[in-house]
Amino acid sequence: EAGVTQFPSHSVIEKGQTVTLRCDPISGHDNLYWYRRVMGKEIKFLLHFVKESKQDESGMPNNRFLAERTGGTYSTLKVQPAELEDSGVYFCASSQAAAGEQFFGPGTRLTVL
Amino acid sequence: AQSVTQLDSQVPVFEEAPVELRCNYSSSVSVYLFWYVQYPNQGLQLLLKYLSGSTLVKGINGFEAEFNKSQTSFHLRKPSVHISDTAEYFCAVRNSGTYKYIFGTGTRLKVLA
Repeated sequence: EAGVTQFPSHSVIEKGQTVTLRCDPISGHDNLYWYRRVMGKEIKFLLHFVKESKQDESGMPNNRFLAERTGGTYSTLKVQPAELEDSGVYFCASSQAAAGEQFFGPGTRLTVL
Repeated sequence: AQSVTQLDSQVPVFEEAPVELRCNYSSSVSVYLFWYVQYPNQGLQLLLKYLSGSTLVKGINGFEAEFNKSQTSFHLRKPSVHISDTAEYFCAVRNSGTYKYIFGTGTRLKVLA
C-alpha cells in the first residue's frame, strides 16, 4: 500500500511568487493534515480536512495560505505571495479516523529567496 | 498550553555506545506520546508510541521509551547505536480524543565511528 506522497520534494522560489504544494493521502483516509517546520523550530499544525471540508484551520499563519481538497482526495496548499519567513518543510499526514494514528509524508522543502 | 520540550538539540555519540534522547511534555489531560525519526532526505517515520498500558514501550530498530507520568517525561533510549541511527528525532504528544500533534523542536543524533 502506498504511503502519503508529496510533490514537489523541493521548491525554490523568489519572494512574491506563488507556489502550490500537493499531498496525496493514503487511499481511504478521510482525514488529511498539513504541518510546517520552519528552520530549527518545532513541527506545527496548520490545518485538518475531513474529506473535502476544513475542520480546523487554526494553525494557518495568514491569508496568504490557501488549502483545498476538492473531491476529498488529494490536497493542495498554495502560498501567494510567498515571503521569506514561509521557508521551511511542509509535511502532510493522513489518518483513517480523526483521532487515529497519522501517517506522514516525506515533506516538501520550500525555500523563498 | 500544551508543549513538548526536547532540551538537547544535538547529541553526538560513538558507535555501539548507549544513547538517551530526552523529552518532557506539559499537559493537564490524558495524552498519547510518540517518537518519530527523520533520516536524511526522508519523511517522518514512527519509531514508537505510548497509548496506554505498560509504561515501557519498544519500537523499531532497537529503540525503547519509558513513559513517566509523575515526571511528565518520555525519554527515548537505545543500548547500542549504529552509524545508521544518525537522524533527527522528534517527540510528540496528542491529547486522547483529539487529532493535533504537538511536536518538540527535534534532536539531531550523530553517531560517530
